[in-house]
Amino acid sequence: ELKVEQNPLFLSMQEGKNYTIYCNYSTTSDRLYWYRQDPGKSLESLFVLLSNGAVKQEGRLMASLDTKARLSTLHITAAVHDLSATYFCAVANTGNQFYFGTGTSLTVIP
Amino acid sequence: DTAVSQTPKYLVTQMGNDKSIKCEQNLGHDTMYWYKQDSKKFLKIMFSYNNKELIINETVPNRFSPKSPDKAHLNLHINSLELGDSAVYFCASSQDPTLDPSYEQYFGPGTRLTVT
Repeated sequence: ELKVEQNPLFLSMQEGKNYTIYCNYSTTSDRLYWYRQDPGKSLESLFVLLSNGAVKQEGRLMASLDTKARLSTLHITAAVHDLSATYFCAVANTGNQFYFGTGTSLTVIP
Repeated sequence: DTAVSQTPKYLVTQMGNDKSIKCEQNLGHDTMYWYKQDSKKFLKIMFSYNNKELIINETVPNRFSPKSPDKAHLNLHINSLELGDSAVYFCASSQDPTLDPSYEQYFGPGTRLTVT
């Protein structure tokens, strides 16, 4: 079974600061996804990364993928309170099974 | 219009009962999924299903069975419910990879199942 590890599990950061969430996975995959989940809500797709070196940005969030290192990062720039949520990465194997990381619970403090 | 819908939103039942959760998608997608999210927010795939193939996560007890009356629906039936089945269950769908190489998934709102 494909293993997906995220760190940190919990992240408390001040508004205006920068931070990075890391996502490592155990076997070859060229499809990596980032999702956001607000408390009691469903998962919202943030980014789809499909190739080595892919970088995508949306607002204060930027995601990148290094398939050789089996690593994706989600970088947060100048955090604001509205970014408080749980962030998941997910990796798909060739059988179209999706495996999710443990999630990173982000709290942005004023 | 809701893309992926689930009913019910909340389900409270007793141990030993049999229950079903319904899922419908109006996106025209070919593949649908069921996930379980436990109390620690860990998400685990249970099933993926398209008109050709059902893939079952081998760790899922056979008390759980997906039933698909047509391409737009994938229901989850659970027999002999146990306390450990309490969780949030999410349905999702994605397009055939020949039409959408990203395989991006769209999630339903979730069903919170509580077994007492």
